[in-house]
Amino acid sequence: EAQVTQNPRYLITVTGKKLTVTCSQNMNHEYMSWYRQDPGLGLRQIYYSMNVEVTDKGDVPEGYKVSRKEKRNFPLILESPSPNQTSLYFCASRLGSGGYYEQYFGPGTRLTVT
Amino acid sequence: RKEVEQDPGPFNVPEGATVAFNCTYSNSASQSFFWYRQDCRKEPKLLMSVYSSGNEDGRFTAQLNRASQYISLLIRDSKLSDSATYLCVVNIGVEERFGAGTRLTVKP
Repeated sequence: EAQVTQNPRYLITVTGKKLTVTCSQNMNHEYMSWYRQDPGLGLRQIYYSMNVEVTDKGDVPEGYKVSRKEKRNFPLILESPSPNQTSLYFCASRLGSGGYYEQYFGPGTRLTVT
Repeated sequence: RKEVEQDPGPFNVPEGATVAFNCTYSNSASQSFFWYRQDCRKEPKLLMSVYSSGNEDGRFTAQLNRASQYISLLIRDSKLSDSATYLCVVNIGVEERFGAGTRLTVKP
């Protein structure tokens, strides 16, 4: 089944404790991205990657890191999480970097930083 | 001003009603446009792309007005299962901009 998976789905952590949210897709998509969703603000892009070893900042990259060592995986790293990073996070992928392709989203990761 | 703006609603309509959502965007260089549907606490899923000529998929019709920089979604004969949040999405090159969503509740 074609899908985007994320882990963990739910995470409660404390300020400053490094964490990684994994994202994997099995559709051989070139383009992957991370979003956060907050009430009233919609989805905001954190980082995106057009292909292996190619990543770029989105709208709200501060406090986040990503890597794209393999085509299928695109982990999101919070080196020192803070409470303002409490949010719902979605990983997404699409076939190419052109904007005409449908995006496929993972099921989301609900992160709480205390 | 937000790059993509939507009326947050909520829109509460009876079954069978016709409901329309609008979305405005600020960047005239925007290239492609979509409507996504998001159920509560779930991931967004593509509902339909929006083409310049307008397009229809069953009970759903999407239209684009580049001159006025807005897109619309019309839902005819609303079903209970249409209850969701509808997200307007605008692509500018490789980047996507999402509206905050319009919440629709269809009641019996």
